[in-house]
Amino acid sequence: EAQVTQNPRYLITVTGKKLTVTCSQNMNHEYMSWYRQDPGLGLRQIYYSMNVEVTDKGDVPEGYKVSRKEKRNFPLILESPSPNQTSLYFCASSPDSYYSNQPQHFGDGTRLSIL
Amino acid sequence: ILNVEQSPQSLHVQEGDSTNFTCSFPSSNFYALHWYRWETAKSPEALFVMTLNGDEKKKGRISATLNTKEGYSYLYIKGSQPEDSATYLCAPMTTDSWGKFQFGAGTQVVVTP
Repeated sequence: EAQVTQNPRYLITVTGKKLTVTCSQNMNHEYMSWYRQDPGLGLRQIYYSMNVEVTDKGDVPEGYKVSRKEKRNFPLILESPSPNQTSLYFCASSPDSYYSNQPQHFGDGTRLSIL
Repeated sequence: ILNVEQSPQSLHVQEGDSTNFTCSFPSSNFYALHWYRWETAKSPEALFVMTLNGDEKKKGRISATLNTKEGYSYLYIKGSQPEDSATYLCAPMTTDSWGKFQFGAGTQVVVTP
């Protein structure tokens, strides 16, 4: 089944404890992206990757890191999480890189709580 | 940062009624417009990707039109059903920011039986 898989789905952790949210897609998609969703603020893009080894900042990259060492995986790293990173996170992928006329497929989301 | 506006913010519709709402965006450097449907406790699901001025797309009872010259798109729901209750998001793409997605805040649709 074609899908975007995020792990974990839920995580409660403490300030400063490094964490990684994994994202994997099995559709051989070029493009991958991370979003966070906060009440009243909609979906905001954190980082995106047009292809392997190519990543770029979205609108809210502060406090996050990403890497794209292989096409299928795009982990989101919080080196020193803070409470303002408590949010619902979505990973998405799309076949296209430079021509954004293909829709994105979203993972099921990861709910992070940073205490 | 693009100025993407969706209106209204929310609307309530009686089952069987039709409705429509708007996504407004800057018309310069336009490339494509994405529409997504987001049900509570689920993940966003793609509805349409539109690229041409005057384009119309349809999926079941949901359709969309696009005006790239004036920078807006309408989404229509015909004969609304309770399962149409969701937040509808749009995201315009421009040629000067490949890969960047900036979603509007969405229009929340509640269909009551």
